Amino acid sequence: DGGITQSPKYLFRKEGQNVTLSCEQNLNHDAMYWYRQDPGQGLRLIYYSQIVNDFQKGDIAEGYSVSREKKESFPLTVTSAQKNPTAFYLCASSTGQTYGYTFGSGTRLTVV
Amino acid sequence: AQSVTQLDSHVSVSEGTPVLLRCNYSSSYSPSLFWYVQHPNKGLQLLLKYTSAATLVKGINGFEAEFKKSETSFHLTKPSAHMSDAAEYFCVVSDLPDNYGQNFVFGPGTRLSVLP
Repeated sequence: DGGITQSPKYLFRKEGQNVTLSCEQNLNHDAMYWYRQDPGQGLRLIYYSQIVNDFQKGDIAEGYSVSREKKESFPLTVTSAQKNPTAFYLCASSTGQTYGYTFGSGTRLTVV
Repeated sequence: AQSVTQLDSHVSVSEGTPVLLRCNYSSSYSPSLFWYVQHPNKGLQLLLKYTSAATLVKGINGFEAEFKKSETSFHLTKPSAHMSDAAEYFCVVSDLPDNYGQNFVFGPGTRLSVLP
């Protein structure tokens, strides 16, 4: 079945470490997105990519980095510059504005 | 600029009674509107969408929503709540003409509780 796979489901980071969250899709969607979700704040866009080897900053890109070397993959790195990384991270893909998003099941990142 | 307001942060209903989750939007263009549902520690699932076709939209699991341009509303309804409907619901608007939806704006969410 087609879908988006995020891994790991739970991730723990020590202070000062970089961590990478994986997002893979087999839907043949051109566009992929990363969102951060905090309690009571809805979803906020971190980065998005419309095509391989191209990506754009969203509303809260500071402290994060991405790559898009393959159409199927859009990993997110949470760097040590991100001072408050504890959150639920959601990856999504889309084939067009009128179709909406398909979401992965999320990764919960906790700083220990 | 587009925006979304979900008028209730929390709605509580009894099982078997109707559900109403309210959403108002602001848009400069003809918007696309969506409702998503999120169960705890899960991703978001598309319930239904409006994209300038019929104003009454039917979705999955018995949910439906009506687009009312004069009221700038897109309220989500269900005739009879089920325990499995307990979740967070997000209203989403996109109105800028783009191909890939990076201009989606999410509402803050409404938590639906269903009491036995």
